[in-house]
Amino acid sequence: QSVLTQPPSVSGAPGQRVTISCTGSSSNFGAGYDVHWYQQLPGTAPKLLIYGNSNRPSGVPDRFSGSMSGTSASLAITGLQAEDEADYYCHSYDTSLSAWVFGGGTKLTVL
Amino acid sequence: QVQLVQSGSELKKPGASVKVSCKASGYTFSNYALNWVRQAPGQGLEWMGWINTNTGNPTYAQGFTGRFVFSLDTSVSTAYLQISSLKPEDTAVYYCARKDDLLTYTFDPWGQGTLVFVSS
Repeated sequence: QSVLTQPPSVSGAPGQRVTISCTGSSSNFGAGYDVHWYQQLPGTAPKLLIYGNSNRPSGVPDRFSGSMSGTSASLAITGLQAEDEADYYCHSYDTSLSAWVFGGGTKLTVL
Repeated sequence: QVQLVQSGSELKKPGASVKVSCKASGYTFSNYALNWVRQAPGQGLEWMGWINTNTGNPTYAQGFTGRFVFSLDTSVSTAYLQISSLKPEDTAVYYCARKDDLLTYTFDPWGQGTLVFVSS
């Protein structure tokens, strides 16, 4: 059971918009810690997609966006493309565990 | 560019030990902490802990004390993860990841991962 809760899977057709939720608690998001998002393509290492709730590293398309409200965060992907098919993980720090924690991951399928 | 390159896959028998390396390049090694993350087959990411690359002081997450040791060789900008008394359930891909405390305040970049397979 992950401290950060994500849906196991989401899907969408090419060109559509999908969102992935990440639910935290008062000991992580509620305590002021940011959410970060990683994309893991099949057979590769995780790659930073969004940092500090809503910031994109250089090279990440603006089709990807992040937001945070209270103890919940979300990742939105617009103009879905086949190459977006991957696992997505949210990430933050938990003060009650004194540990970095990950969501369980969400598998995005492009139909 | 900033890069972390890990050692290759390992096949080990139960009870053996393994040492995974993570070589950094493109930045000053001692300025950024190094984290270790485990990913069991078909599973999610699990934070194992981190090592202060300036002092060498390791911090282990719950569940990763005792058989897991983080170490450094700063002369070659390399961090190590050693796992002793290997069990089949240690089979996983192990990643190192730099903690970026200047811009993103998170793990970036990551090494390519090292598969450790434990089987008799």
